[in-house]
Amino acid sequence: DVQLMESGGGLVKPGGSLRLSCAASGFTFSRYSMHWVRQAPGKGLEWVSCIGGSGRSIYYADSVRGRFIISRDNAKNSVYLQMNNLRAEDMAVYYCAAEIIAATVLDYWGQGILVTVSS
Amino acid sequence: QSVLTQPPSASGTPGQRVTISCSGSKSNIGTYTVNWYQQLPGTAPKLLIHSNNQRPSGVPDRFSGSKSGTSASLAISGLQSGDEADYYCAAWDDSLNGRGVFGGGTKLTVL
Repeated sequence: DVQLMESGGGLVKPGGSLRLSCAASGFTFSRYSMHWVRQAPGKGLEWVSCIGGSGRSIYYADSVRGRFIISRDNAKNSVYLQMNNLRAEDMAVYYCAAEIIAATVLDYWGQGILVTVSS
Repeated sequence: QSVLTQPPSASGTPGQRVTISCSGSKSNIGTYTVNWYQQLPGTAPKLLIHSNNQRPSGVPDRFSGSKSGTSASLAISGLQSGDEADYYCAAWDDSLNGRGVFGGGTKLTVL
């Protein structure tokens, strides 16, 4: 079974940094793109970033470009989101998701991890 | 303001058929396939429909999707109380160097 497990969330002050991790299992990790999607409290889903299987193709939402860095370690079956210069509006539940069944289709999701940005 | 436009709410009674619309533009729905996600209260989103009209294994055939031009829709027939959830459309968008985009979500209430 495909499993995705996020970790690394927590409370951080505005301007601070946090690194999220997502450990994957149950599929050939290196073959598939991985995404981060977030959901602010009481709000809808917002796509954040994605990275291709080899790590060469990377895309970001305008709201995080220049502050967040997505990366992956295929040897560890993990994808990461380094979040720098965090703002109050970055506070959200962050989900990692796998694009397996077809391009741009997020067919498996983690349970989500909460990032709180507050002084 | 979301790139894809959905009605904020929809409702129906058990057994009814409801549809949820999703409007985009040439750079997203007009070029790429549309996916739909269901988010039950307090849970992670779940893929409901992919590639405009394909149901993943395990999704009942009460759920169907369609796309025409720069718009898409999700139909739910035989509405059940367990269908009460938030529904999101999504697509790739090739503006601004490429990005994923979601609709604002539609909260479905089963009366």
